[in-house]
Amino acid sequence: EAGVAQSPRYKIIEKRQSVAFWCNPISGHATLYWYQQILGQGPKLLIQFQNNGVVDDSQLPKDRFSAERLKGVDSTLKIQPAKLEDSAVYLCASSLGTRNSPQHFGDGTRLSIL
Amino acid sequence: AQSVTQPDIHITVSEGASLELRCNYSYGATPYLFWYVQSPGQGLQLLLKYFSGDTLVQGIKGFEAEFKRSQSSFNLRKPSVHWSDAAEYFCAVGGNDYKLSFGAGTTVTVRA
Repeated sequence: EAGVAQSPRYKIIEKRQSVAFWCNPISGHATLYWYQQILGQGPKLLIQFQNNGVVDDSQLPKDRFSAERLKGVDSTLKIQPAKLEDSAVYLCASSLGTRNSPQHFGDGTRLSIL
Repeated sequence: AQSVTQPDIHITVSEGASLELRCNYSYGATPYLFWYVQSPGQGLQLLLKYFSGDTLVQGIKGFEAEFKRSQSSFNLRKPSVHWSDAAEYFCAVGGNDYKLSFGAGTTVTVRA
């Protein structure tokens, strides 16, 4: 089966600019997650979707970050305006959303803020 | 709140030697436990998972992990490492809300 697809793989922007990331989960996976992974740290959950509804966005900096999952499939994560501390890898993951289903991760987008 | 501690930031092991990575978790109920591996520039790949049943779990690439409830641990082992095992390893804990909390990771270096 095809894995979780993310694009772009790399992005370099200046601070205060905006950026968007795209994720296509594994077909049939109801639950989608966005994580932020800062260098030297484990992934930190930003937002969790169940189909096209938000389950948890408590760790999402809502003054600058937004995410949507239209039609319960693809998702986009946006940062506007970007800050230097947003430099990180942004990982998308998906799962069936059932009790025993693990999360499957994409290769991530590496964001560098100048 | 759930959390994971990986006490070892970096481990160096000789090729062919055994490897053990430590993981301690904090969770109020029965946890779901995972080990993921991340190679440079790539996402996380699932090595193995524990939901219930046998506390010794077999995974891919020759890895295994043992769940010890009394010690709140889920240590990862491999009897004989290969150079391709050099990567970063993450332990994660989750529950019925399907959310994961990750440790900070352990970087494994394999020397010839």
